[in-house]
Amino acid sequence: GNSVTQMEGPVTLSEEAFLTINCTYTATGYPSLFWYVQYPGEGLQLLLKATKADDKGSNKGFEATYRKETTSFHLEKGSVQVSDSAVYFCALSGLGSNYKLTFGKGTLLTVNP
Amino acid sequence: DAGVTQSPTHLIKTRGQQVTLRCSPKSGHDTVSWYQQALGQGPQFIFQYYEEEERQRGNFPDRFSGHQFPNYSSELNVNALLLGDSALYLCASSGTWGESTEAFFGQGTRLTVV
Repeated sequence: GNSVTQMEGPVTLSEEAFLTINCTYTATGYPSLFWYVQYPGEGLQLLLKATKADDKGSNKGFEATYRKETTSFHLEKGSVQVSDSAVYFCALSGLGSNYKLTFGKGTLLTVNP
Repeated sequence: DAGVTQSPTHLIKTRGQQVTLRCSPKSGHDTVSWYQQALGQGPQFIFQYYEEEERQRGNFPDRFSGHQFPNYSSELNVNALLLGDSALYLCASSGTWGESTEAFFGQGTRLTVV
């Protein structure tokens, strides 16, 4: 079945540091890939997505590229801010799954001023 | 647009009791999915409703059941509660066509079983 493995946290960075959170997946066919963010006490918000190989999703300075050859979708940001502190989830939606999402375990990011 | 709304926000129940959680989807959405998020874990898919029928189900026991109403709102019912059912329950809604297929999540219902 489908599965998502993402970098174990927590990750602690200083403001303006470079961020990478690794994500790899296992799926049949050509899944869509997502990064969701969860701020304390809130639900999930879609951060970015990519629906086919070599697509790059981007939003709010975050980027991730769909790499089919390495089955990866790593999240990056060039300069993090304190307000980026949250839990980040990598997820996939398999072909024909009617939008059922399979999530990784999440990575807690803390950005210090 | 109110987005996806869930009620209640917090709930405390005793082992063996039954609970009902409610979800109103985002305007224009006709599909509702439910997820369980245990502390420190990613959300796990419970089931999905479309046109008032369960379309897909994850690996959850029959104690977990649901319903979708003609106005697309949905309920999640859990019977014979166990301590391990304590979690954040998330509802997500989505549409059928184009950009509306993106899933939007509510803020969740925090269920504590004591």
